[in-house]
Amino acid sequence: NAGVTQTPKFQVLKTGQSMTLQCAQDMNHEYMSWYRQDPGMGLRLIHYSVGAGITDQGEVPNGYNVSRSTTEDFPLRLLSAAPSQTSVYFCASSYSFVRLQETQYFGPGTRLLVL
Amino acid sequence: DQQVKQNSPSLSVQEGRISILNCDYTNSMFDYFLWYKKYPAEGPTFLISISSIKDKNEDGRFTVFLNKSAKHLSLHIVPSQPGDSAVYFCAASAVGGGSEKLVFGKGTKLTVNP
Repeated sequence: NAGVTQTPKFQVLKTGQSMTLQCAQDMNHEYMSWYRQDPGMGLRLIHYSVGAGITDQGEVPNGYNVSRSTTEDFPLRLLSAAPSQTSVYFCASSYSFVRLQETQYFGPGTRLLVL
Repeated sequence: DQQVKQNSPSLSVQEGRISILNCDYTNSMFDYFLWYKKYPAEGPTFLISISSIKDKNEDGRFTVFLNKSAKHLSLHIVPSQPGDSAVYFCAASAVGGGSEKLVFGKGTKLTVNP
């Protein structure tokens, strides 16, 4: 199993550009989520999905879109990048959505710099 | 409004001594707590968890203590090793609506000196 994979590892964007951060897992996990980590802010939930076709907003959803057409993939879209979106983005997955007692497995992260 | 607080941004201990990382929470609906460990340039990895029906959970060198009345939990690492140097995140989840979300603290950077 590859676990949770994220691409790209690093990206530089100009303000106003769009891009998609890719996330895939091969563990047949129902639950997937996106977090951003900023210095001194910890991990903040952007969007999450409890299964294919079902998504919901987290703590900081503005400026981001997600979709979950398959169990394996959960892309995060930035429609018009802003410097405030400079961050490290982590995708995570978990077997169960009912309770997070099944731990989340995190990907290696994508470092995004918006100029 | 920060629901999970890790008030110590950093902690430095000597190898072989005990490391104690603290976490406080404000939401009384939280009933499951986890600690994650994160090395630079890697994603967080699960370390240990505890349910609110327990007050202690132990896994090797790692023990988590939960004090529900004080809304406080702590992670003890004994003995500390240089490889334990990392950022440690406390996280919590709540019963009912929102149980599918984890709320993280800001993290504590632990440095274990040889």
